[in-house]
Amino acid sequence: KAGVTQTPRYLIKTRGQQVTLSCSPISGHRSVSWYQQTPGQGLQFLFEYFSETQRNKGNFPGRFSGRQFSNSRSEMNVSTLELGDSALYLCASSDRDRGLAGELFFGEGSRLTVL
Amino acid sequence: AQTVTQSQPEMSVQEAETVTLSCTYDTSESDYYLFWYKQPPSRQMILVIRQEAYKQQNATENRFSVNFQKAAKSFSLKISDSQLGDAAMYFCAYRGSNTGNQFYFGTGTSLTVIP
Repeated sequence: KAGVTQTPRYLIKTRGQQVTLSCSPISGHRSVSWYQQTPGQGLQFLFEYFSETQRNKGNFPGRFSGRQFSNSRSEMNVSTLELGDSALYLCASSDRDRGLAGELFFGEGSRLTVL
Repeated sequence: AQTVTQSQPEMSVQEAETVTLSCTYDTSESDYYLFWYKQPPSRQMILVIRQEAYKQQNATENRFSVNFQKAAKSFSLKISDSQLGDAAMYFCAYRGSNTGNQFYFGTGTSLTVIP
């Protein structure tokens, strides 16, 4: 099985712009979660999508949004970029049928730099 | 909210030696799982080991084992016979029955393996 694929891998934006990141989960996984990783902060949960519905949302401003398509692919969007949005954005898919034991399978991440 | 604390930002170990990474967590839930993830430099995060809260026996995966102290809410990772390929960031993570598919991560421990 192919792993979780994230595009683009690297991108540079300027303040005020917006960005869209894409994630293709492992085949058969219908849950896709997004995390923001910054040095010293670890991984912060952004949101989770399952069957095209947002199931859970972290403590991030409304500038951060996402969606999921019928094929389980997901996108996240950040509008009006700020310098503090510079981070590695990780997408993870999982099989919810595994219950609590199910792990997250991560992509390699999209590294966003905001200038 | 659940919190996961990794108090060792950096650790080092000699090749072939043993190292223990610490993790503590705070929760009022009784049904949960704990995970250790490994993130090699510029590579994707992968699961190292998981532990179910109801199991008293500590999980083991080859050279990796955990010391799960439920009453103390401690979940340390022991790496035996350390290898150069073990050099990575290690994240402790929590997933509870009341938190849906959201994982809570610590801030990570950077492990250096000295040849």
